[in-house]
Amino acid sequence: EDKVVQSPLSLVVHEGDTVTLNCSYEVTNFRSLLWYKQEKKAPTFLFMLTSSGIEKKSGRLSSILDKKELFSILNITATQTGDSAIYLCAHPGGGGATNKLIFGTGTLLAVQP
Amino acid sequence: NAGVMQNPRHLVRRRGQEARLRCSPMKGHSHVYWYRQLPEEGLKFMVYLQKENIIDESGMPKERFSAEFPKEGPSILRIQQVVRGDSAAYFCASSPPSAGGDTQYFGPGTRLTVL
Repeated sequence: EDKVVQSPLSLVVHEGDTVTLNCSYEVTNFRSLLWYKQEKKAPTFLFMLTSSGIEKKSGRLSSILDKKELFSILNITATQTGDSAIYLCAHPGGGGATNKLIFGTGTLLAVQP
Repeated sequence: NAGVMQNPRHLVRRRGQEARLRCSPMKGHSHVYWYRQLPEEGLKFMVYLQKENIIDESGMPKERFSAEFPKEGPSILRIQQVVRGDSAAYFCASSPPSAGGDTQYFGPGTRLTVL
C-alpha cells in the first residue's frame, strides 16, 4: 500500500532560523511528489517534484527529491511568523485512472517571534 | 481567475439530518476531488469525479455518503443521516484535464459540525 511519512510531527523555532522538513514515501508507481502549506483553511500548493536532484525554489522555500532513497525535503530559510502552518507532503497514488493524493500527516511548524 | 469555491464554509447539523456540500472547480478544470480531514488527522481521499462520472470512490464510506458532478453546476457531496463522527473539514480540489491531474488546487473547505 502506498504510504507517505513526514517528520518531525511538530517543530518550534524562532524567527530567522532555518528549518528542514522531511517526507519519505513508498509508492508502487512514482509520478510526482507534492508539497502543500495549510494554514487555517485550504492547503496551498507549494511545489511538485518529479526529478531527482533538481531543486525547486520559491523565495525562502526550496525543495528537492531523492528518488533513489525515496524522500524529499522542504527547506525554509530565515523563517518568519507567517511561515507557521502545517506542511503537507503528498503523492498521487493508487495507479490506474485515479489521481487521488495520498497525504502524510503533516509537520506542524510554529515560528516564534 | 477565481479559485476553487466551496459553500457553505460552516455547516451545523443535528444527528440524523442531511448535509449537502457544494464545490465549484476552478475555471477550465474538469476533475474534482473530495477529501476529509478529521480532527488531529491528515487529509484523506474520498472520491474523484469528472463531469457526470465517478472515477474513483474508494475512499468514500459505502453507506450514507454520495457524490455527483453534473454536467451543469457544482459538485455535491451529500451525507445522509449524519452522525457525530462525520464532524470534520471537507475539502474539494480540482485539476485541469491535462498534466495527469497531479497538481490539485484546494478550496477553503466546509467545516461540518454534527450536534
